[in-house]
Amino acid sequence: DGGITQSPKYLFRKEGQNVTLSCEQNLNHDAMYWYRQDPGQGLRLIYYSQIVNDFQKGDIAEGYSVSREKKESFPLTVTSAQKNPTAFYLCASSIGPGTDYTEAFFGQGTRLTVV
Amino acid sequence: AQRVTQPEKLLSVFKGAPVELKCNYSYSGSPELFWYVQYSRQRLQLLLRHISRESIKGFTADLNKGETSFHLKKPFAQEEDSAMYYCAREDSNYQLIWGAGTKLIIKP
Repeated sequence: DGGITQSPKYLFRKEGQNVTLSCEQNLNHDAMYWYRQDPGQGLRLIYYSQIVNDFQKGDIAEGYSVSREKKESFPLTVTSAQKNPTAFYLCASSIGPGTDYTEAFFGQGTRLTVV
Repeated sequence: AQRVTQPEKLLSVFKGAPVELKCNYSYSGSPELFWYVQYSRQRLQLLLRHISRESIKGFTADLNKGETSFHLKKPFAQEEDSAMYYCAREDSNYQLIWGAGTKLIIKP
């Protein structure tokens, strides 16, 4: 079953703790993305990676970190420095730069709640 | 900065009525524009892209460079069209810039 998988679906974190959200894809896509989805604000880009071992900050990278050690995996760590981490997080992938168009394929999302 | 604006957070129409979801973008050459849709409990997915000039599920979207708009239209709304709709454009770094989204509710 090809696609992009995020886990867990729901995550609870205590204040001051770091937490890591998983994102795996078997689409052989070069590019992967992390977005934060808040009501009324659309999708805001946290980090993206266009190739293994390389990633770039998006618009709201503060308080987050990522790694891209494998093509298939792009985990996101929400650190204690993130002031308002409660949100819905979406991971996406696309073929990558240099193609005629950019179609993003999305995971089901992870809802993170700070308790 | 390149922007995508969806002026309506919520749009509610009756079944069978025409639907138009508005999208405006900041001018920049020849943009690649998309509409994505998120049905309840489903993942966000591509609905249509302007370069293909296709009709998907009865929806069409025409790029109007003069008005810098890419409105999504359907002549007769169906209840299953109720969803969250996002307009997006591709920037020079192949990243997608997203609008804030419009929640479409189709009333029976």
